[in-house]
Amino acid sequence: DIVMTQSPESLAVSLGERATINCKSSQNVFYSADNKNYLAWYQQKSGQPPKLLFYWASTRESGVPDRISGSGSGTDFTLTISSLQAEDVALYYCQQYYTTPWTFGQGTKVEIK
Amino acid sequence: EVLLVESGGGLVQPGGSLRLSCATSGFSFNGYSMNWVRQAPGKGLEWISYISISATTIYYADSVEGRFTISRDNAKNSIYLQMTNLRADDTAVYYCARASPGFDCWGQGTLVTVSS
Repeated sequence: DIVMTQSPESLAVSLGERATINCKSSQNVFYSADNKNYLAWYQQKSGQPPKLLFYWASTRESGVPDRISGSGSGTDFTLTISSLQAEDVALYYCQQYYTTPWTFGQGTKVEIK
Repeated sequence: EVLLVESGGGLVQPGGSLRLSCATSGFSFNGYSMNWVRQAPGKGLEWISYISISATTIYYADSVEGRFTISRDNAKNSIYLQMTNLRADDTAVYYCARASPGFDCWGQGTLVTVSS
């Protein structure tokens, strides 16, 4: 199974400051035949289901603000919130869908400092 | 509006069975593969099963293989999860999720509690 490891487990950032979440996969999730990274990011607010933020590592889902970005390739990926807003307080998960079992990272909790 | 609504959760004794349903609307159901994902209380997300558009391809996580069965009814725009031989560690909120790249739409979830 591909193990997804996120860091940090939690972070507290001041409003308007940058938040960076890292995700490392135990195996490459880049498929050279289609030049895509099979990596998604989700946001889960308290008491709600997850919400897809990015797929193919960096393709923003409709409605996701452009202060949130996804990047990376191969085994190392990053979710960046360039200017943290109160509504960004949530758990964030990365997920690989390169091969089954599709696996999630353990989650990163983002809070306001 | 895309909607996914899970039902069928509840309290069940260890070794018991339960059938979850996920009714969908607002999109062409027979054009999408679907998944079940669960989340134990206070824990992270665990993908547990996938079913392709025509149900010809089905996958399970090792943790549920042989105990859970996924199915779909394209005429009813629904997927199902038959769960048998339930264990305490199956206690979780169970979500159905549409497969797109990633899982782009999720239901609100249904809580399954396995306890005596």
